[in-house]
Amino acid sequence: DVKVTQSSRYLVKRTGEKVFLECVQDMDHENMFWYRQDPGLGLRLIYFSYDVKMKEKGDIPEGYSVSREKKERFSLILESASTNQTSMYLCASSPGLAGRGEQYFGPGTRLTVT
Amino acid sequence: AQTVTQSQPEMSVQEAETVTLSCTYDTSENNYYLFWYKQPPSRQMILVIRQEAYKQQNATENRFSVNFQKAAKSFSLKISDSQLGDTAMYFCAFMKLVSGTGKLIFGQGTTLQVKP
Repeated sequence: DVKVTQSSRYLVKRTGEKVFLECVQDMDHENMFWYRQDPGLGLRLIYFSYDVKMKEKGDIPEGYSVSREKKERFSLILESASTNQTSMYLCASSPGLAGRGEQYFGPGTRLTVT
Repeated sequence: AQTVTQSQPEMSVQEAETVTLSCTYDTSENNYYLFWYKQPPSRQMILVIRQEAYKQQNATENRFSVNFQKAAKSFSLKISDSQLGDTAMYFCAFMKLVSGTGKLIFGQGTTLQVKP
């Protein structure tokens, strides 16, 4: 079974802190994604990566950056956390079209910025 | 740009009954995938069912089936013989086939509660 893990289930940070959220997948997938999930808005794509060191902006990249130094690991970075970044963050991985589009999700990190 | 709309924020159904969740989408693409994902309370999101737009036959997976109306851009999910374990948030999602990266566009979600 594909396994996608995220470094924390719950995280509380202060405004202005630098925050790292890490995601690891064990299926050698090329593609990895970071979403945020907010009530009434569904999942919105922040960034995605289609290869090591490659990244593309999603729909809401402002205030975020990413890093992918190894194929299995994709990190989301909040350079200076703000209260409007309080949200659930979901990581996902996918083999792309080879997997007929299916994405495999991690358990999520609920981030609270105070 | 593609959009996905789920107009039912919350629904409930009695155990063993049938429920239908609605989804509409907007796209100018001809080749794409549509998905329903399930997110149980405090558990990971998983794929429920997938439909390729070029296939006219509606996809089915055990108790789950879809009604795919390509011209109307409608993609509803029917859950038959509802079980307590079906209680979850359900997301409709769209992916165009041109890109190999598999970017998904999600709807707002529908929270389904199955009552005993």
